[in-house]
Amino acid sequence: SQKIEQNSEALNIQEGKTATLTCNYTNYSPAYLQWYRQDPGRGPVFLLLIRENEKEKRKERLKVTFDTTLKQSLFHITASQPADSATYLCARSGDDKIIFGKGTRLHILP
Amino acid sequence: GAGVSQSPSNKVTEKGKDVELRCDPISGHTALYWYRQRLGQGLEFLIYFQGNSAPDKSGLPSDRFSAERTGESVSTLTIQRTQQEDSAVYLCASSLIAGVGETQYFGPGTRLLVL
Repeated sequence: SQKIEQNSEALNIQEGKTATLTCNYTNYSPAYLQWYRQDPGRGPVFLLLIRENEKEKRKERLKVTFDTTLKQSLFHITASQPADSATYLCARSGDDKIIFGKGTRLHILP
Repeated sequence: GAGVSQSPSNKVTEKGKDVELRCDPISGHTALYWYRQRLGQGLEFLIYFQGNSAPDKSGLPSDRFSAERTGESVSTLTIQRTQQEDSAVYLCASSLIAGVGETQYFGPGTRLLVL
């Protein structure tokens, strides 16, 4: 099956440090990977999209990488803040729909 | 402009009853998606529409689940004879078109509790 996997354990990071979240995929080479943020009780919100021919994409304090050899995407938040605490979902393109990972819960500790 | 809206925001029902969940996508978005999210879990794809057609119904868990879309706008997800395992948040999303690179815009979800 075409899987997308994220670390299901929560990640605790000290405020001001860089948070790095991992997304791995198997049995498929997606044309795109997307990252979404989900706060409790709310729907996911789109953050970044990276294409397979892009190594890196940045948006303000966010950076996403896409390594097709390792079949992995890394999502970085630099100078992390308590307001960055949320669940972050990785999603990969698959035929005509997007397949979501289960998400990683991030806690930024003040 | 207005985002994706869903109603009701919360629904409590008794086992065996039917429920209807509604989604109003962003105006002009031709693609509409339904997902289910159980507590602490990821998004489970249910069905998507391109216009009023549903090319992919593969995610519907059983024949108790059905969905329709009219006027390339509002969509309704119906669950018949609800079971306790149907309890979850049902999320709707829309995008300009159905394409792998298209950003999906999500609604706030409907929280369904089956007693």
